[in-house]
Amino acid sequence: DTGVSQNPRHKITKRGQNVTFRCDPISEHNRLYWYRQTLGQGPEFLTYFQNEAQLEKSRLLSDRFSAERPKGSFSTLEIQRTEQGDSAMYLCASSRSDTIYFGEGSWLTVV
Amino acid sequence: DQQVKQNSPSLSVQEGRISILNCDYTNSMFDYFLWYKKYPAEGPTFLISISSIKDKNEDGRFTVFLNKSAKHLSLHIVPSQPGDSAVYFCAATRSTGGGNKLTFGTGTQLKVEL
Repeated sequence: DTGVSQNPRHKITKRGQNVTFRCDPISEHNRLYWYRQTLGQGPEFLTYFQNEAQLEKSRLLSDRFSAERPKGSFSTLEIQRTEQGDSAMYLCASSRSDTIYFGEGSWLTVV
Repeated sequence: DQQVKQNSPSLSVQEGRISILNCDYTNSMFDYFLWYKKYPAEGPTFLISISSIKDKNEDGRFTVFLNKSAKHLSLHIVPSQPGDSAVYFCAATRSTGGGNKLTFGTGTQLKVEL
């Protein structure tokens, strides 16, 4: 399977702990995106990379969130000092042109 | 400010009939539109897209229509099948200068009944 791969698929963590999600995009896709989706809403843009450069960050991305794409391939999204409001599905996507392809998402539950 | 709106949260259609899902947008800078299908606990799956230079794009059972003057697009599924039951999201972007960042609607739950 050469689609966008995310792990872990599910994470349950206690409030205040740090979590990290990993995304492996489709090979040769130079753009990589992180989105967040909560129940009843469409995905909301968080940030995107072109190669290793982080070109845009949403105001939804507070100081507790950091994303990296060190070699322009895989990416990580870290959430520090998690809060219950961080519970959501975190979606990674990649593209080479106009069409953006999503991974299966990483569910985060903060208890 | 909801720039992409899907005003019907749900739609129920009989198998074999046509499903029509609607989407409206407010940002005139959007010039590329996509439809995604999503099953519970999975990521969105790309279905079909349309550029603003076209008013129709067809792919098998799926056709997307774009009315730029009305800032409206619709997805037609003919014939509808039970496996089409899912949440459908409309998304829009600026294809130049916007990094292809997608703005999504809130989705329409389609149920195709036997």
